[in-house]
Amino acid sequence: DTAVSQTPKYLVTQMGNDKSIKCEQNLGHDTMYWYKQDSKKFLKIMFSYNNKELIINETVPNRFSPKSPDKAHLNLHINSLELGDSAVYFCASSQGAQADTQYFGPGTRLTVL
Amino acid sequence: GQSLEQPSEVTAVEGAIVQINCTYQTSGFYGLSWYQQHDGGAPTFLSYNALDGLEETGRFSSFLSRSDSYGYLLLQELQMKDSASYFCAVRRNFNKFYFGSGTKLNVKP
Repeated sequence: DTAVSQTPKYLVTQMGNDKSIKCEQNLGHDTMYWYKQDSKKFLKIMFSYNNKELIINETVPNRFSPKSPDKAHLNLHINSLELGDSAVYFCASSQGAQADTQYFGPGTRLTVL
Repeated sequence: GQSLEQPSEVTAVEGAIVQINCTYQTSGFYGLSWYQQHDGGAPTFLSYNALDGLEETGRFSSFLSRSDSYGYLLLQELQMKDSASYFCAVRRNFNKFYFGSGTKLNVKP
């Protein structure tokens, strides 16, 4: 049973396009996150939702818009893709916004050409 | 802001012990986590220290000194499958985790 799943696993697209990444968790957690891992493996938090409410919004261009339709899902929509958006995007979840442990999804490798 | 420093790469032989250090600077510090990530894989949780001292989980132990803004991950009886990147992450302002750039551990036979 997959705990945190993401689709798609790979995404190759042209500059200027709009794309979405979806995340679902079946752990019954109430908090979900988006992280970006760049080519140097630096892992940076982008957003977090707790019970469908945005609680963390790091300094991220407003071309990135997360949406949480329910506690089990967190999607990321990116407008006007740029070369610098190429990275691996990880979704994660935890039980509570103050949890010690986060469970990561397998990642979505986004390549912008 | 915050900053974390860990060595970029460490090499050790199978069966040995290796220590991966992490020094940090941050305000609002709550604790230090460690995650393992194999190439192409997802980060997986290893340990979390909120208080000073050593936490042991099987072959892995993690240490924290809040006064020194320093922690380390100790891996014992190294196995080939331990070859991976290891990230320390500070927990800041209760609900935010900021990750270091990771230490690539190479285990050789």
